[in-house]
Amino acid sequence: EAGVTQFPSHSVIEKGQTVTLRCDPISGHDNLYWYRRVMGKEIKFLLHFVKESKQDESGMPNNRFLAERTGGTYSTLKVQPAELEDSGVYFCASSPYYGANVLTFGAGSRLTVL
Amino acid sequence: SQQGEEDPQALSIQEGENATMNCSYKTSINNLQWYRQNSGRGLVHLILIRSNEREKHSGRLRVTLDTSKKSSSLLITASRAADTASYFCATAVLTGANNLFFGTGTRLTVIP
Repeated sequence: EAGVTQFPSHSVIEKGQTVTLRCDPISGHDNLYWYRRVMGKEIKFLLHFVKESKQDESGMPNNRFLAERTGGTYSTLKVQPAELEDSGVYFCASSPYYGANVLTFGAGSRLTVL
Repeated sequence: SQQGEEDPQALSIQEGENATMNCSYKTSINNLQWYRQNSGRGLVHLILIRSNEREKHSGRLRVTLDTSKKSSSLLITASRAADTASYFCATAVLTGANNLFFGTGTRLTVIP
């Protein structure tokens, strides 16, 4: 089965621009998570979808970040406008059901804001 | 905050040696997990230990958990060059990975 795929693998943008990251979870996985790792720091939780609903978005840093999961399949994470401190690697993960302990991660999208 | 902290931040060993990484966390947990990340790839789940377990084995991996000290260790025996990666511990407060709290990771380099 295909794993969690993320696109793009690397994006370089200027401060103030907009970037949209996409995540395709494993087919049939209702739970989708976004995490972020800023250089050298811990991997931090951003938010959790159950199907198309936001279950927990307590980790979203501010209102420049918008996550969607229309139809409960793939998800997008938009950063608008991007700031320098948004640079990092954005990971997406999925799990088959609410309460599953183990997550399957994608390779991540590296965002560089200049 | 709940985040774990791995120790050491970086570890370099010769192939065949054992590698030990430690993780400390701050609050009560349901389970603790270890993940590996190879360069440019996603995190791969290695092993999960529940709060009522003290030790668990999986192949060359041995994980211990001391809930009184809020700490865990990951031992990789007979290391191989392919074990070179970053290793992260992650804690789950509730049953189910509703929200995993990760540490900063240990970068392991195994020299052939």
